[in-house]
Amino acid sequence: GAGVSQTPSNKVTEKGKYVELRCDPISGHTALYWYRQSLGQGPEFLIYFQGTGAADDSGLPNDRFFAVRPEGSVSTLKIQRTERGDSAVYLCASSLVRGAYEQYFGPGTRLTVT
Amino acid sequence: AQSVTQLGSHVSVSEGALVLLRCNYSSSVPPYLFWYVQYPNQGLQLLLKYTSAATLVKGINGFEAEFKKSETSFHLTKPSAHMSDAAEYFCAVSTAGANSKLTFGKGITLSVRP
Repeated sequence: GAGVSQTPSNKVTEKGKYVELRCDPISGHTALYWYRQSLGQGPEFLIYFQGTGAADDSGLPNDRFFAVRPEGSVSTLKIQRTERGDSAVYLCASSLVRGAYEQYFGPGTRLTVT
Repeated sequence: AQSVTQLGSHVSVSEGALVLLRCNYSSSVPPYLFWYVQYPNQGLQLLLKYTSAATLVKGINGFEAEFKKSETSFHLTKPSAHMSDAAEYFCAVSTAGANSKLTFGKGITLSVRP
């Protein structure tokens, strides 16, 4: 079956612009996670959705970052007034339910802010 | 709070040699532990996971890891390295808490010499 997909695969934007990153989870997966991976680092947690609601957004670095999952499937990560420090690979993962179930990762969106 | 330490950023072995990638964790509650592999320009793929069952866990591609509570370790091993094992490896920890977010180590790059 289809895995987690993310679009676009690459995004180059200018400092100060607004960007949206999309994640399509595996069908039927109720849990969805966003992570950010900076160069030379492991992924860092940003936000977790259970269904339509953001159950934990403690990893969002500031209020320029926001994410939605209006129908409990596709999620969009939104970044306002982008800064060069936002440049990273943004990873999305989904799992059947929370807990010990495997998180399946998408290929990521590489965001470059110039 | 939980954390993962992966000492060293790069390991190089000869083809056919033993692979040993170290991971130590910190967790205030019983952990779930994972090893993920990331090939160039690809998403994270689960190698194996420990979820409080058997302490010796076997994964894909001949890898295995042993959970040692007394040492707070979850080292990854493979008896004989193959050229195709060259990749970046991440150890991660989560708990059976509210969201089961993964906390990753910084990762180790494995090189395999012919």
